[in-house]
Amino acid sequence: EAGVAQSPRYKIIEKRQSVAFWCNPISGHATLYWYQQILGQGPKLLIQFQNNGVVDDSQLPKDRFSAERLKGVDSTLKIQPAKLEDSAVYLCASSLDLGNTQYFGPGTRLTVL
Amino acid sequence: DQQVKQNSPSLSVQEGRISILNCDYTNSMFDYFLWYKKYPAEGPTFLISISSIKDKNEDGRFTVFLNKSAKHLSLHIVPSQPGDSAVYFCAASARMNYGGSQGNLIFGKGTKLSVKP
Repeated sequence: EAGVAQSPRYKIIEKRQSVAFWCNPISGHATLYWYQQILGQGPKLLIQFQNNGVVDDSQLPKDRFSAERLKGVDSTLKIQPAKLEDSAVYLCASSLDLGNTQYFGPGTRLTVL
Repeated sequence: DQQVKQNSPSLSVQEGRISILNCDYTNSMFDYFLWYKKYPAEGPTFLISISSIKDKNEDGRFTVFLNKSAKHLSLHIVPSQPGDSAVYFCAASARMNYGGSQGNLIFGKGTKLSVKP
């Protein structure tokens, strides 16, 4: 069974530029999560989807971050404009349903200069 | 305000000995706890979990113990192997009792385990 796929794996941009990350969850998984992991910290949830609906986006900085999961499968996370403090690894995870074990992708390491 | 705390940033153990990784939590609504293992440049990998109705769960060399009264859990690895060297994250969730965000995991900062041959 294929795992969670993410791209790109690495991205370097300058502050005030925009960037987008893509995630393809495990087939059949209804729930998709985006986490931000800053160096030395544990992952922090940004947004959680159930199929194509948002369950929780309370920790998403909505002035600059947006995410969508239009067809209930793939998802994109966008940052516009990026700030230096957005430098982090962005992890996508999926689970069969709400409350089930989450499986993580390899992450995208973002560096904002 | 850290709801899940891993107070030891690192731990070094000899191969063959026991590794004990500790985790404390503050939110009494948490009812499900997980350990994830992370190698460099990879995403976290699920290792083992425990529900709050149990106090122990075992899977091969890995055992998780939960002490609800102390709001403390620990992961035991016996015997430790060099391939176990990784960062271990403790995570907690309020699956049944927290209206709205079921499955929202709160992670600790991680403990880096080094198993020396």
